[in-house]
Amino acid sequence: DQQVKQNSPSLSVQEGRISILNCDYTNSMFDYFLWYKKYPAEGPTFLISISSIKDKNEDGRFTVFLNKSAKHLSLHIVPSQPGDSAVYFCAASAGDMRFGAGTRLTVKP
Amino acid sequence: DAGVIQSPRHEVTEMGQEVTLRCKPISGHNSLFWYRQTMMRGLELLIYFNNNVPIDDSGMPEDRFSAKMPNASFSTLKIQPSEPRDSAVYFCASSLQDQYEQYFGPGTRLTVT
Repeated sequence: DQQVKQNSPSLSVQEGRISILNCDYTNSMFDYFLWYKKYPAEGPTFLISISSIKDKNEDGRFTVFLNKSAKHLSLHIVPSQPGDSAVYFCAASAGDMRFGAGTRLTVKP
Repeated sequence: DAGVIQSPRHEVTEMGQEVTLRCKPISGHNSLFWYRQTMMRGLELLIYFNNNVPIDDSGMPEDRFSAKMPNASFSTLKIQPSEPRDSAVYFCASSLQDQYEQYFGPGTRLTVT
């Protein structure tokens, strides 16, 4: 039962443009959401998070948006840089953590 | 701090053999998590511990899988006997019990032939 879904396995964006990564969830009990970034041969690293009481959280080039009514989460990266190329995991918590399958972002120079 | 340490980084074994994966969490963290990453299912939570006590092992796929945490600085994930479908990258992560952010180790890539 995939409670957290990332329906796009990959995304390719030109350097300088906006990257938008999407995530949908089914469990309305989730109260905290996170994005992790993963480079090859490394473990995921925390990127940004948002509580369910908020609808937006911004940290530099990274902004996470939460739409609770749609059970939808998105990560915006502006401007995208080649070093942002990685796999991005969406995660949601209602006690324990559930991860999506990941989206591979490629930022082309 | 050295971060979460996992060993071995790579393991190749034959079907039927026992495999033991090891994890040392970040000092002071009291929650520990074992995940499995596959292409099909992404990151799956296998089991997690709070203060060395297993809290939820519902993600452990079969009785062939077992995990222990004998003390605050060490955990093992054992697969016996191993099967080719167990091939995946296994991650260990740790966190403070009252914080959401988890810190992941570099993973162990397991190949069962």
